[in-house]
Amino acid sequence: ILNVEQSPQSLHVQEGDSTNFTCSFPSSNFYALHWYRWETAKSPEALFVMTLNGDEKKKGRISATLNTKEGYSYLYIKGSQPEDSATYLCALHTGTASKLTFGTGTRLQVTL
Amino acid sequence: DSGVTQTPKHLITATGQRVTLRCSPRSGDLSVYWYQQSLDQGLQFLIQYYNGEERAKGNILERFSAQQFPDLHSELNLSSLELGDSALYFCASSVAWGSPNTGELFFGEGSRLTVL
Repeated sequence: ILNVEQSPQSLHVQEGDSTNFTCSFPSSNFYALHWYRWETAKSPEALFVMTLNGDEKKKGRISATLNTKEGYSYLYIKGSQPEDSATYLCALHTGTASKLTFGTGTRLQVTL
Repeated sequence: DSGVTQTPKHLITATGQRVTLRCSPRSGDLSVYWYQQSLDQGLQFLIQYYNGEERAKGNILERFSAQQFPDLHSELNLSSLELGDSALYFCASSVAWGSPNTGELFFGEGSRLTVL
């Protein structure tokens, strides 16, 4: 059973704060690491798909890094805004199986 | 709008009953995935189809079955329902199968099943 762990479980920050979360995963048989953003009452939406060790991807104020050798990825949000409030999910794609194994997510709440 | 359509959005039924959840993938996507999200649990992978063929199976109960039709829509059948089957069931689609770079999933809004 693959263990994809995310921390913290939840986070409450003020508008303008920068924050980051961690996704840890077994480093063997790595294929790709996905990040999704899931707003309440909506469907998860892909943020990044990362495949290479050392990869860094950015979308606006959100960026992510990947370390496949030690089995972790960080998601950073710079200058958090209330609209960033959501659950952030990471998911691991291993070997030749196409299924994604999801972590339980980090729930972010940004207040004014 | 992800382009993935799931029906029904909400469903309330009794224990022992059978329900069918339906999913239409994004236009052009050949892979369909089903995930279950129960209270305090992450998204649990159930099953995946690619162009009509089953490709991967997760922790799907024997009471559950799925299929993908020639028009690529998929149905998840849940039978002999139990209280613990109450959950949000997501369908997702992707372009390809097994490709990390194009494996981004597009999710539907989910079907919330309540078993009383």
